[in-house]
Amino acid sequence: GEDVEQSLFLSVREGDSSVINCTYTDSSSTYLYWYKQEPGAGLQLLTYIFSNMDMKQDQRLTVLLNKKDKHLSLRIADTQTGDSAIYFCAESIGLTGGGNKLTFGTGTQLKVEL
Amino acid sequence: NAGVTQTPKFQVLKTGQSMTLQCAQDMNHEYMSWYRQDPGMGLRLIHYSVGAGITDQGEVPNGYNVSRSTTEDFPLRLLSAAPSQTSVYFCASRQRGGRAVQYFGPGTRLLVL
Repeated sequence: GEDVEQSLFLSVREGDSSVINCTYTDSSSTYLYWYKQEPGAGLQLLTYIFSNMDMKQDQRLTVLLNKKDKHLSLRIADTQTGDSAIYFCAESIGLTGGGNKLTFGTGTQLKVEL
Repeated sequence: NAGVTQTPKFQVLKTGQSMTLQCAQDMNHEYMSWYRQDPGMGLRLIHYSVGAGITDQGEVPNGYNVSRSTTEDFPLRLLSAAPSQTSVYFCASRQRGGRAVQYFGPGTRLLVL
């Protein structure tokens, strides 16, 4: 089955690191994604990781994947007030008729305080 | 490129009314999808299409119809609106392939009274 879970809320101080966690259940996931949603806007892709990788770093973002535990995390270094948003993890799952679909978690609201 | 566009941005309906949410993309993407976003529930897939003339149901298809007569357009129809359909609706598109980036439209906020 497919189920993606995230904690609903995270609060950090500006300049600290933020770690947003996600667990998923479908072991056939090929790619896992992190999306950011700012208030009143659509979703913007931040980064993604292939399922055979353990880690991916992209500037202030570090993605860690533990495939054994089906656990994905997003670390944001030197968190800024502009990072305040909702962060969604998503997994890519194959469809019976071909193609793939994305299953999203519930989203984690990140609040950055001064 | 305009990317993925959606109209209207906001709509108020009365129970029982019908309407069509428009979605268009100019990136020649094969895959298009409709999601609804409700508080605490993330995004749920309503319908999707893997190409012109091909559509299929997602997780929550009841009360919605779609068609894909062209690559560019993927309208979502509410046949008889219900208060449970109050939500924010996002259209998305991407190329074929598991790694393909999915692009989202800005969303349509729908209120059904």
